[in-house]
Amino acid sequence: SVLTQPPSVSGAPRQRVTISCSGSSSNIGNYGVNWYQQLPGKAPKLLIFYSNLLPSGVSDRFSGSKSDSSASLAISGLRPEDEADYYCAVWDDDLGGVAFGGGTKLTVL
Amino acid sequence: EVQLVESGGGLIQPGRSLRLSCTGSGFTFGDHGVTWVRQAPGKGLEWVGLIRTKGFGGTTEYAAPVKGRFTISRNDSKSVAFLQMNSLKAEDTAVYYCARAYLLDSTMSLDFWGQGTLVTVSS
Repeated sequence: SVLTQPPSVSGAPRQRVTISCSGSSSNIGNYGVNWYQQLPGKAPKLLIFYSNLLPSGVSDRFSGSKSDSSASLAISGLRPEDEADYYCAVWDDDLGGVAFGGGTKLTVL
Repeated sequence: EVQLVESGGGLIQPGRSLRLSCTGSGFTFGDHGVTWVRQAPGKGLEWVGLIRTKGFGGTTEYAAPVKGRFTISRNDSKSVAFLQMNSLKAEDTAVYYCARAYLLDSTMSLDFWGQGTLVTVSS
C-alpha cells in the first residue's frame, strides 16, 4: 500500500493511543486525510475527514492531525467498544484514485 | 436518514459477469459521487472506482486491478449506481461496498456506506 500504517496497536481502558499513517507528496502531502473505523463484521464508518474534522455524532475522543506527508489518529479515554480496525485513506495523484492504508487493529487490553 | 443498499452479489464462475446495484435514499442522489470499495476475506479495504456527479461530467475512475473489466454507471432518476463486473477472477472475491462521496475543497471523503454485498468467484 502507498499508505503505511502499523498492523496493530493496543492500550488499556482510559489510555490514549495514536495510529500513524505515512504517505508521500502525491497523496497526504496534497490532500486531506480521512480515517475510517470498521467494527468487527460491520461496514466501515467515517471517523475523521479533511485530516481533523469530526462528522456529526462521532465522539470527540477521536482526533486527527496531519503534518507534511504523514497523518495521525488519536483516541483518548479508550473504551472496549473502540476495538476495531482503523484505516487511513486519501486521494493519490499517481494512482489516480483513492489509496487506503493497510489498516490497524486496535486492541483494548 | 441517509441509506445506501447494495444488491446483486452471489456465487459466480470465473470469467462470467455480474452487476451490483447501489440504491440510495434519504438524500439527493445526483448531488453526490459514488465510490465502490471492496474487502477480500480477512483483508483490508481496497478502492475499486468512482463515478462523479453529472455536474462534474459523470466521469469515472478505476483502480488498476479492475480497469478494463469493471464499469461504474448511475441513474440519478432512480437513485441507483451500478458496478458492472466482467471477466471475473477468483481474486475479485470480496465484500463490495458502495459509499457516498462528500467533497470538501479537493478532499473527498466517504461519509455514508452501505452494508456490503458478498461476491464469490469460484467454479
